[in-house]
Amino acid sequence: QKEVEQDPGPLSVPEGAIVSLNCTYSNSAFQYFMWYRQYSRKGPELLMYTYSSGNKEDGRFTAQVDKSSKYISLFIRDSQPSDSATYLCAMLRGSTLGRLYFGRGTQLTVWP
Amino acid sequence: NAGVMQNPRHLVRRRGQEARLRCSPMKGHSHVYWYRQLPEEGLKFMVYLQKENIIDESGMPKERFSAEFPKEGPSILRIQQVVRGDSAAYFCASSLPQREGRNEQFFGPGTRLTVL
Repeated sequence: QKEVEQDPGPLSVPEGAIVSLNCTYSNSAFQYFMWYRQYSRKGPELLMYTYSSGNKEDGRFTAQVDKSSKYISLFIRDSQPSDSATYLCAMLRGSTLGRLYFGRGTQLTVWP
Repeated sequence: NAGVMQNPRHLVRRRGQEARLRCSPMKGHSHVYWYRQLPEEGLKFMVYLQKENIIDESGMPKERFSAEFPKEGPSILRIQQVVRGDSAAYFCASSLPQREGRNEQFFGPGTRLTVL
């Protein structure tokens, strides 16, 4: 079993839709949770960074962490064609600094 | 404020040759990480370095791969005697010194290695 599981999609939605992206994990040592956006043939770009359970909002993006269920989510409101990219969840163990554990990434297409 | 820089962006090597990938971290960042991304897969950790120190190399293949981050100059990921299976995108990330709440890693554009 992989430590971080993420449905690769692809996910295709119309412009303006609410998008929900999810990851599950098996290691309760993960303390920091991140979402990266990666456009085709580009480097990952940090979107959201959270610590511990709860919600964090930044513009149209909301990151949610549920440690009891080992489940994290990223919601995108009012999705735009420019949101079309691959979204990667990543996690960091609090006791082991440095190494990020990534999900496979979910490919999202927002069509006009 | 320049981001993480990597060069070359594209590198073509024949089997058996050496590949050298360079990474210059963001200004003020003293920690560098290398990740590899194969087609249709997420990023896999390879190595974590500070200046003149390897902190964690648990993701590095035992043979042919090495990494350094000298006191002066960029970090180098070196692959000797490349094989076709080494074809991938190699990403470098950098961060400030790790402490509570300051663990963000910022990525470069990557080097795409093709082994013929």
